[in-house]
Amino acid sequence: GESVGLHLPTLSVQEGDNSIINCAYSNSASDYFIWYKQESGKGPQFIIDIRSNMDKRQGQRVTVLLNKTVKHLSLQIAATQPGDSAVYFCAEITGGYNKLIFGAGTRLAVHP
Amino acid sequence: GAVVSQHPSWVICKSGTSVKIECRSLDFQATTMFWYRQFPKQSLMLMATSNEGSKATYEQGVEKDKFLINHASLTLSTLTVTSAHPEDSSFYICSARNPSGGYNEQFFGPGTRLTVL
Repeated sequence: GESVGLHLPTLSVQEGDNSIINCAYSNSASDYFIWYKQESGKGPQFIIDIRSNMDKRQGQRVTVLLNKTVKHLSLQIAATQPGDSAVYFCAEITGGYNKLIFGAGTRLAVHP
Repeated sequence: GAVVSQHPSWVICKSGTSVKIECRSLDFQATTMFWYRQFPKQSLMLMATSNEGSKATYEQGVEKDKFLINHASLTLSTLTVTSAHPEDSSFYICSARNPSGGYNEQFFGPGTRLTVL
């Protein structure tokens, strides 16, 4: 189930289940979005991206959905594995220097 | 993907001292680098955009005299935390953008954990 911690909400799933991580973004003018995975004590790693002219994009075991009407992104991970345990952030590209603005993040905990 | 390194990976310093953190792009030339800070269990907050050969652009609320950024070459940006205090303790992460790549060609360093006693 999903719970809200002190700062980061946590999504707990069983190994093999599908995971859905949600994110609300702030700028309706943003035209590019990225999902990152961050393991403890490390920098973010690119997972998948999507342009604002798309509403769905699929990668290997991951799918990103974009709903511009409500400024909402989701990341779906199929057949979640213990190695998927990490914090996931959505980020939007904005500004002249292509600044990345990160969302709040969700901790994914995968249980065997 | 491309490699971005940071040095040191962790540092402990006394209050009032200054600490320099280096960010290097190892296999491409980065005209633009970004500096973020991250408190425990929180998201990454953009501090500044570092442009090679020019002054950094700081985000609102970030003290430019406190966090000095120098982007002296196409592969190196440095962040100096001046007169550090315990509240500056955080995880500092840089990223470098490959100018010949697309929007997703922004690569992150492994981060530097700063602890100010």
